Amino acid sequence: GQQLNQSPQSMFIQEGEDVSMNCTSSSIFNTWLWYKQDPGEGPVLLIALYKAGELTSNGRLTAQFGITRKDSFLNISASIPSDVGIYFCAGGVIQGAQKLVFGQGTRLTINP
Amino acid sequence: DTGVSQDPRHKITKRGQNVTFRCDPISEHNRLYWYRQTLGQGPEFLTYFQNEAQLEKSRLLSDRFSAERPKGSFSTLEIQRTEQGDSAMYLCASTTGTGNYGYTFGSGTRLTVV
Repeated sequence: GQQLNQSPQSMFIQEGEDVSMNCTSSSIFNTWLWYKQDPGEGPVLLIALYKAGELTSNGRLTAQFGITRKDSFLNISASIPSDVGIYFCAGGVIQGAQKLVFGQGTRLTINP
Repeated sequence: DTGVSQDPRHKITKRGQNVTFRCDPISEHNRLYWYRQTLGQGPEFLTYFQNEAQLEKSRLLSDRFSAERPKGSFSTLEIQRTEQGDSAMYLCASTTGTGNYGYTFGSGTRLTVV
């Protein structure tokens, strides 16, 4: 089945640093999304990308949909304590269920 | 708009027992999804409904699992004869129709089978 490789698996950074994480796939996706999940909660949508090459920002977050449609990255600038959590990429296919295939997640820890 | 609501938040059950979870989606969303998430992994698709019709089921959804959305509003997911391998977070999500992948997830039901 389709799989997404998300890296890094974990990051330990200082408050104020910039963060970069990415996702790659052997399959083409029509959409890429980035979610954040806090402990004991469901994922919350951060950014949705619908067009190859698209670069989208949401506050301190910036994400890009790779032109091959097989990859995406997420950058967080000037990290703050509330950025702590697990970030998931997800790829979507238009046909049928429009289900999402998720990566394994990147756990972000911030030292104040 | 109160978001996607799931009940219960936590469930501990003995192996072999049946459990049922409920999901109330955002009212105007006609698509409802169930995903399962095990520790350290991303969510995995189980099944989805377009209104009251269950249109796709994953191979992960064994015969012991059944999902319903009787009136196209809330949905239930039942697991019969639970096994320890069923322990996971069960997430419900909803969205509007075609083209909108921006699911809104609920907070999930964490199932522990002992």
